[in-house]
Amino acid sequence: DTEVTQTPKHLVMGMTNKKSLKCEQHMGHRAMYWYKQKAKKPPELMFVYSYEKLSINESVPSRFSPECPNSSLLNLHLHALQPEDSALYLCASSRGTGDYEQYFGPGTRLTVT
Amino acid sequence: GQQVMQIPQYQHVQEGEDFTTYCNSSTTLSNIQWYKQRPGGHPVFLIQLVKSGEVKKQKRLTFQFGEAKKNSSLHITATQTTDVGTYFCAGRGGSNYKLTFGKGTLLTVNP
Repeated sequence: DTEVTQTPKHLVMGMTNKKSLKCEQHMGHRAMYWYKQKAKKPPELMFVYSYEKLSINESVPSRFSPECPNSSLLNLHLHALQPEDSALYLCASSRGTGDYEQYFGPGTRLTVT
Repeated sequence: GQQVMQIPQYQHVQEGEDFTTYCNSSTTLSNIQWYKQRPGGHPVFLIQLVKSGEVKKQKRLTFQFGEAKKNSSLHITATQTTDVGTYFCAGRGGSNYKLTFGKGTLLTVNP
């Protein structure tokens, strides 16, 4: 199984809502990532988890809160977002944080109204 | 910080023509990876290059890593409509966990 799954596929939320994005992989990968991608732009790294510990936070605003409950799951908790946070949120995983390819999930298309 | 420049931004070709996209890094890379993202899709890993001067082929795709490990290219021979998408290079420098993506080249193919 070389699949990374993400739910939901689409999400519309108001600026006062709290929601969560979920990501799951069953490849035994020990590194998991959250990326944000705006239209016609490359993926922009937000967070890296290595062995379930947060190892990189790319100065992401605190309204985004990641969580790694176990080695297969990664969540992104959203609170008080702004319209400019509307984007495609991609989860990825890899065997480790070294020279390994990343497997991306299909993404969650988020719209903040 | 590390920067990866990629050109061209867009390329439109007739089916059967060749296509090349180029990446240049401001620093020496430990590896470079290439990804393809179809319209409406997500990035899909194509290949990783690690060694100086490395050349790898996948059917009609040829990937090169420069001798100085600061530049790379992807060449597609005889493009097909299935090649449509955005091709991203992504490089990692030294012990940095982070993959830095180029801005991507959007390839469109006229049948």
